[in-house]
Amino acid sequence: DTAVSQTPKYLVTQMGNDKSIKCEQNLGHDTMYWYKQDSKKFLKIMFSYNNKELIINETVPNRFSPKSPDKAHLNLHINSLELGDSAVYFCASSTSTRPYNEQFFGPGTRLTVL
Amino acid sequence: AQSVTQLGSHVSVSEGALVLLRCNYSSSVPPYLFWYVQYPNQGLQLLLKYTSAATLVKGINGFEAEFKKSETSFHLTKPSAHMSDAAEYFCAVNIGPEGGADGLTFGKGTHLIIQP
Repeated sequence: DTAVSQTPKYLVTQMGNDKSIKCEQNLGHDTMYWYKQDSKKFLKIMFSYNNKELIINETVPNRFSPKSPDKAHLNLHINSLELGDSAVYFCASSTSTRPYNEQFFGPGTRLTVL
Repeated sequence: AQSVTQLGSHVSVSEGALVLLRCNYSSSVPPYLFWYVQYPNQGLQLLLKYTSAATLVKGINGFEAEFKKSETSFHLTKPSAHMSDAAEYFCAVNIGPEGGADGLTFGKGTHLIIQP
């Protein structure tokens, strides 16, 4: 069984559209994250959720809205997509917000905005 | 505040040779340090982590790293490279909300190339 799964794996869409990426973890973890990896492979945290509550929200445009219906799921909705949103988005989870905990990453969703 | 610098965006070694990937960190509080590996078109997998229990940390696939506070370094090594080690390697730091941040802060990555 996949520990952290994301759907879809690839997403190609037009500028201005709204899209969602789903993430699910079956590890029983309390904390989930979204990271963005740009074309130069630089990874940056976007959001962190603990027990369905937003913990951190880095300087991300408010077009990005995470939603956590339960502890096992953290979805990312993006409104009015822009060319610069093209990237690979990774979901991750960890036991808690303790900084020494390992984060388990999903396989990523490659978003291409045309 | 926290940051990570990885020296060398690309490192090339011969199969069987020593692998050395460099990582230096900056942190306002004692850090927790991680090395992750990313194979092509895959997610990240933890190689090893430093959590202050021991300065020499052993990880998976024969990798190890040594935490040196005086040098603010956490370099990754492997005695003998294998073709399957070819991947992107990321050093990361996490100091937690007590340090004023949360989540992993990553370096820019080092692409490891293994020459046959």
